[in-house]
Amino acid sequence: QQQVKQSPQSLIVQKGGISIINCAYENTAFDYFPWYQQFPGKGPALLIAIRPDVSEKKEGRFTISFNKSAKQFSLHIMDSQPGDSATYFCAASMMQGNLIFGKGTKLSVKP
Amino acid sequence: ETGVTQTPRHLVMGMTNKKSLKCEQHLGHNAMYWYKQSAKKPLELMFVYSLEERVENNSVPSRFSPECPNSSHLFLHLHTLQPEDSALYLCASSQEPAGVSGELFFGEGSRLTVL
Repeated sequence: QQQVKQSPQSLIVQKGGISIINCAYENTAFDYFPWYQQFPGKGPALLIAIRPDVSEKKEGRFTISFNKSAKQFSLHIMDSQPGDSATYFCAASMMQGNLIFGKGTKLSVKP
Repeated sequence: ETGVTQTPRHLVMGMTNKKSLKCEQHLGHNAMYWYKQSAKKPLELMFVYSLEERVENNSVPSRFSPECPNSSHLFLHLHTLQPEDSALYLCASSQEPAGVSGELFFGEGSRLTVL
């Protein structure tokens, strides 16, 4: 029940395309859902986050869509660029709790 | 220096060696974490310290021993490791509690190879 399931494990997208990464959770007590981005040789860094009281949050080309009833949330990267090539982790947490991470998605954006 | 810095960046050790990983945060945070990143379990929480006290230990083998002498420094002491302990060890910090904002600030990691 503490797991966050992430898919796909890897993703190849052409430059200018839309990248979509999905996550699902079971614990309805989770109330914070961030996405982290990790470039090779670097630690993960917070990219964008959402709380369950909204269904969508957009920051530039990055959008989180949240479906509370389905217990799913996804990251959409519009107009994907080679510089977006990285590993993306979804996560979830409860108030006062630690983050539970998904297994990551390695995104490659081809020129 | 800014952010979270980890040393050494790379470490090769034998199974009988004793070594330590060091982490320092310059963000004024009061919680620090050790994560293990490997192909099998990409971001596995090992230890959490809040206000210099250990608040969580996720069933980590005793060959890993953390130390938090103050809110800015965190160590991971390593002894008699196994080859399967080879991984990237990431340090992170946050304003307690991380679950409220979800924002962890990670270092670049220490790549450990156990021969």
